[in-house]
Amino acid sequence: EIVLTQSPGTLSLSPGERAILSCRPSQSVSSSDLVWYRQKPGQAPRLLIYETSIRAPGIPDRFSGSGSGTDFTLTISRLEPEDFAFYYCQYYGISLLTFGGGTKVEIK
Amino acid sequence: QVQLVQSGAEVRKPGASVRVSCKAFGYSLSDSYMHWVRQAPGQGLEWMGWINPKNGGALYAQKFQGRFTMTSDTSFNTAYMELSSLRSDDTAIYYCTRVLRPGHPGFAYWGQGTLVTVSS
Repeated sequence: EIVLTQSPGTLSLSPGERAILSCRPSQSVSSSDLVWYRQKPGQAPRLLIYETSIRAPGIPDRFSGSGSGTDFTLTISRLEPEDFAFYYCQYYGISLLTFGGGTKVEIK
Repeated sequence: QVQLVQSGAEVRKPGASVRVSCKAFGYSLSDSYMHWVRQAPGQGLEWMGWINPKNGGALYAQKFQGRFTMTSDTSFNTAYMELSSLRSDDTAIYYCTRVLRPGHPGFAYWGQGTLVTVSS
Protein backbone atom coordinates (compact mmCIF):
# COMPACT_ATOMS: atom_id res chain seq x y z
CA GLU A 1 0.00 0.00 0.00
CA ILE A 2 1.27 3.45 -0.90
CA VAL A 3 1.27 5.89 2.01
CA LEU A 4 1.21 9.62 1.28
CA THR A 5 2.88 11.92 3.80
CA GLN A 6 1.84 15.55 3.64
CA SER A 7 3.79 18.38 5.20
CA PRO A 8 3.62 20.63 6.98
CA GLY A 9 0.63 19.65 9.06
CA THR A 10 -0.31 23.30 9.42
CA LEU A 11 0.86 26.30 7.42
CA SER A 12 0.25 29.75 8.92
CA LEU A 13 0.33 32.50 6.30
CA SER A 14 -1.22 35.85 5.45
CA PRO A 15 -3.47 36.63 2.48
CA GLY A 16 -1.37 37.38 -0.59
CA GLU A 17 1.51 35.16 0.50
CA ARG A 18 2.72 32.06 -1.32
CA ALA A 19 1.92 28.63 0.04
CA ILE A 20 3.98 25.55 -0.73
CA LEU A 21 2.53 22.18 0.28
CA SER A 22 4.38 18.88 0.06
CA CYS A 23 3.18 15.35 -0.62
CA ARG A 24 5.62 12.44 -0.44
CA PRO A 25 4.54 8.93 -1.46
CA SER A 26 6.18 6.00 0.33
CA GLN A 27 7.23 4.63 -3.05
CA SER A 28 7.63 6.13 -6.48
CA VAL A 29 4.36 6.84 -8.29
CA SER A 30 3.57 7.94 -11.80
CA SER A 31 2.93 11.63 -12.20
CA SER A 32 -0.34 10.63 -13.90
CA ASP A 33 -1.61 9.33 -10.57
CA LEU A 34 -1.17 12.32 -8.25
CA VAL A 35 -4.16 14.54 -7.46
CA TRP A 36 -4.82 17.53 -5.15
CA TYR A 37 -8.01 18.70 -3.43
CA ARG A 38 -9.05 21.65 -1.31
CA GLN A 39 -11.69 21.21 1.38
CA LYS A 40 -13.37 24.08 3.17
CA PRO A 41 -15.08 23.42 6.50
CA GLY A 42 -18.51 21.87 6.12
CA GLN A 43 -18.05 21.21 2.41
CA ALA A 44 -17.11 18.29 0.22
CA PRO A 45 -13.59 18.38 -1.22
CA ARG A 46 -13.00 20.16 -4.51
CA LEU A 47 -10.69 18.83 -7.20
CA LEU A 48 -7.86 21.28 -7.85
CA ILE A 49 -5.11 19.47 -9.76
CA TYR A 50 -4.89 16.08 -11.46
CA GLU A 51 -1.99 14.26 -13.11
CA THR A 52 0.37 16.30 -10.91
CA SER A 53 0.04 19.59 -12.77
CA ILE A 54 -3.21 19.91 -14.72
CA ARG A 55 -5.73 22.31 -13.25
CA ALA A 56 -9.29 21.05 -13.05
CA PRO A 57 -12.00 23.06 -14.82
CA GLY A 58 -12.66 26.41 -13.15
CA ILE A 59 -9.52 26.35 -10.98
CA PRO A 60 -7.62 29.67 -11.09
CA ASP A 61 -4.03 29.82 -12.24
CA ARG A 62 -2.73 30.76 -8.80
CA PHE A 63 -2.79 27.00 -8.16
CA SER A 64 0.01 24.96 -9.66
CA GLY A 65 1.32 21.46 -9.14
CA SER A 66 4.67 19.88 -9.81
CA GLY A 67 6.86 16.95 -8.91
CA SER A 68 7.67 13.38 -9.73
CA GLY A 69 8.45 10.03 -8.15
CA THR A 70 8.30 10.51 -4.38
CA ASP A 71 8.18 14.29 -4.16
CA PHE A 72 5.19 16.38 -5.22
CA THR A 73 4.24 19.98 -4.51
CA LEU A 74 1.14 22.14 -4.63
CA THR A 75 1.87 25.87 -4.84
CA ILE A 76 -0.65 28.63 -4.28
CA SER A 77 1.01 31.77 -5.60
CA ARG A 78 -1.09 34.36 -3.72
CA LEU A 79 -3.44 33.22 -1.02
CA GLU A 80 -7.03 34.41 -1.31
CA PRO A 81 -9.42 34.31 1.67
CA GLU A 82 -11.13 31.17 0.32
CA ASP A 83 -7.79 29.34 0.19
CA PHE A 84 -7.54 29.07 3.96
CA ALA A 85 -8.71 25.48 4.17
CA PHE A 86 -7.47 21.89 4.21
CA TYR A 87 -5.57 20.37 1.31
CA TYR A 88 -5.26 16.70 0.49
CA CYS A 89 -3.13 14.88 -2.02
CA GLN A 90 -4.31 11.58 -3.44
CA TYR A 91 -2.72 8.64 -5.15
CA TYR A 92 -5.12 7.57 -7.87
CA GLY A 93 -3.83 4.15 -8.79
CA ILE A 94 -5.38 1.67 -11.19
CA SER A 95 -6.97 -0.40 -8.46
CA LEU A 96 -6.16 1.26 -5.17
CA LEU A 97 -6.48 4.85 -4.10
CA THR A 98 -5.26 6.58 -0.99
CA PHE A 99 -5.27 10.07 0.51
CA GLY A 100 -2.58 11.91 2.38
CA GLY A 101 -3.25 13.10 5.91
CA GLY A 102 -3.81 16.69 4.82
CA THR A 103 -2.32 20.14 5.34
CA LYS A 104 -4.25 22.93 7.00
CA VAL A 105 -3.56 26.40 5.64
CA GLU A 106 -4.58 28.90 8.28
CA ILE A 107 -4.55 32.67 8.56
CA LYS A 108 -1.52 33.97 10.42
CA GLN B 1 -25.12 19.09 -15.26
CA VAL B 2 -23.83 16.26 -13.12
CA GLN B 3 -25.19 16.13 -9.58
CA LEU B 4 -24.95 13.50 -6.88
CA VAL B 5 -27.65 13.71 -4.22
CA GLN B 6 -27.30 11.58 -1.12
CA SER B 7 -29.82 10.44 1.46
CA GLY B 8 -30.13 12.15 4.82
CA ALA B 9 -28.34 11.76 8.11
CA GLU B 10 -28.68 8.50 10.02
CA VAL B 11 -28.26 7.48 13.66
CA ARG B 12 -27.62 3.85 14.51
CA LYS B 13 -26.70 1.81 17.56
CA PRO B 14 -23.49 -0.22 17.66
CA GLY B 15 -23.89 -3.53 15.85
CA ALA B 16 -26.62 -2.25 13.53
CA SER B 17 -26.39 -1.63 9.78
CA VAL B 18 -26.91 1.48 7.67
CA ARG B 19 -27.56 2.05 3.97
CA VAL B 20 -26.82 5.33 2.24
CA SER B 21 -28.07 6.15 -1.24
CA CYS B 22 -26.54 8.37 -3.91
CA LYS B 23 -28.78 9.38 -6.80
CA ALA B 24 -27.10 10.60 -9.96
CA PHE B 25 -28.54 13.41 -12.05
CA GLY B 26 -27.37 14.67 -15.41
CA TYR B 27 -25.81 11.45 -16.62
CA SER B 28 -26.43 7.73 -16.75
CA LEU B 29 -25.11 5.92 -13.68
CA SER B 30 -23.66 3.20 -15.92
CA ASP B 31 -21.30 5.68 -17.56
CA SER B 32 -18.92 6.05 -14.63
CA TYR B 33 -17.59 4.14 -11.65
CA MET B 34 -18.94 5.38 -8.32
CA HIS B 35 -16.53 5.71 -5.42
CA TRP B 36 -17.23 6.08 -1.71
CA VAL B 37 -15.08 8.17 0.63
CA ARG B 38 -15.57 8.77 4.33
CA GLN B 39 -14.38 11.39 6.76
CA ALA B 40 -14.52 10.95 10.52
CA PRO B 41 -15.09 14.10 12.60
CA GLY B 42 -12.02 16.31 12.46
CA GLN B 43 -10.12 13.73 10.43
CA GLY B 44 -8.92 13.30 6.88
CA LEU B 45 -10.37 11.56 3.85
CA GLU B 46 -10.49 7.79 3.56
CA TRP B 47 -11.20 5.99 0.29
CA MET B 48 -13.49 2.98 0.76
CA GLY B 49 -13.89 1.51 -2.72
CA TRP B 50 -15.59 1.73 -6.08
CA ILE B 51 -18.40 0.05 -7.95
CA ASN B 52 -18.90 -0.26 -11.69
CA PRO B 53 -22.68 0.22 -12.09
CA LYS B 54 -22.57 -1.26 -15.58
CA ASN B 55 -21.86 -4.77 -14.33
CA GLY B 56 -21.87 -4.56 -10.52
CA GLY B 57 -18.17 -5.23 -10.23
CA ALA B 58 -16.61 -3.67 -7.15
CA LEU B 59 -13.27 -3.13 -5.47
CA TYR B 60 -13.02 -2.60 -1.74
CA ALA B 61 -10.17 -1.03 0.18
CA GLN B 62 -8.63 -3.72 2.36
CA LYS B 63 -9.78 -2.04 5.58
CA PHE B 64 -13.41 -2.21 4.48
CA GLN B 65 -13.57 -5.74 3.11
CA GLY B 66 -16.24 -7.76 4.88
CA ARG B 67 -18.49 -5.12 6.49
CA PHE B 68 -18.91 -2.77 3.55
CA THR B 69 -21.07 -3.44 0.49
CA MET B 70 -21.60 -1.28 -2.56
CA THR B 71 -24.51 -1.83 -4.92
CA SER B 72 -26.27 0.07 -7.67
CA ASP B 73 -29.62 0.15 -9.42
CA THR B 74 -29.38 1.62 -12.90
CA SER B 75 -33.16 1.74 -13.25
CA PHE B 76 -33.19 4.29 -10.43
CA ASN B 77 -29.82 5.78 -11.43
CA THR B 78 -28.79 5.30 -7.81
CA ALA B 79 -25.79 3.83 -6.03
CA TYR B 80 -25.88 2.49 -2.50
CA MET B 81 -23.41 1.70 0.21
CA GLU B 82 -24.17 -0.44 3.23
CA LEU B 83 -22.04 -0.75 6.33
CA SER B 84 -22.82 -3.49 8.85
CA SER B 85 -21.75 -4.33 12.41
CA LEU B 86 -21.39 -0.63 13.06
CA ARG B 87 -18.92 0.61 15.65
CA SER B 88 -18.50 4.03 17.21
CA ASP B 89 -15.47 4.68 14.99
CA ASP B 90 -17.69 4.36 11.91
CA THR B 91 -19.19 7.71 12.86
CA ALA B 92 -18.34 9.83 9.85
CA ILE B 93 -19.56 11.72 6.83
CA TYR B 94 -19.87 9.35 3.88
CA TYR B 95 -19.50 10.76 0.37
CA CYS B 96 -20.22 9.29 -3.02
CA THR B 97 -18.01 10.70 -5.75
CA ARG B 98 -16.99 10.18 -9.37
CA VAL B 99 -14.38 11.36 -11.82
CA LEU B 100 -14.73 14.12 -14.38
CA ARG B 101 -14.69 11.64 -17.26
CA PRO B 102 -13.94 7.91 -17.41
CA GLY B 103 -10.20 7.41 -17.42
CA HIS B 104 -9.67 10.80 -15.82
CA PRO B 105 -8.03 10.61 -12.40
CA GLY B 106 -9.44 12.69 -9.59
CA PHE B 107 -12.90 13.11 -8.11
CA ALA B 108 -14.61 16.05 -9.79
CA TYR B 109 -18.17 15.43 -8.61
CA TRP B 110 -19.19 14.83 -5.00
CA GLY B 111 -22.42 14.18 -3.18
CA GLN B 112 -23.25 16.52 -0.33
CA GLY B 113 -22.25 13.88 2.20
CA THR B 114 -24.30 11.82 4.64
CA LEU B 115 -23.51 11.93 8.35
CA VAL B 116 -23.76 8.53 9.98
CA THR B 117 -23.66 8.64 13.77
CA VAL B 118 -23.11 5.42 15.72
CA SER B 119 -24.05 5.81 19.34
CA SER B 120 -25.67 3.74 22.05
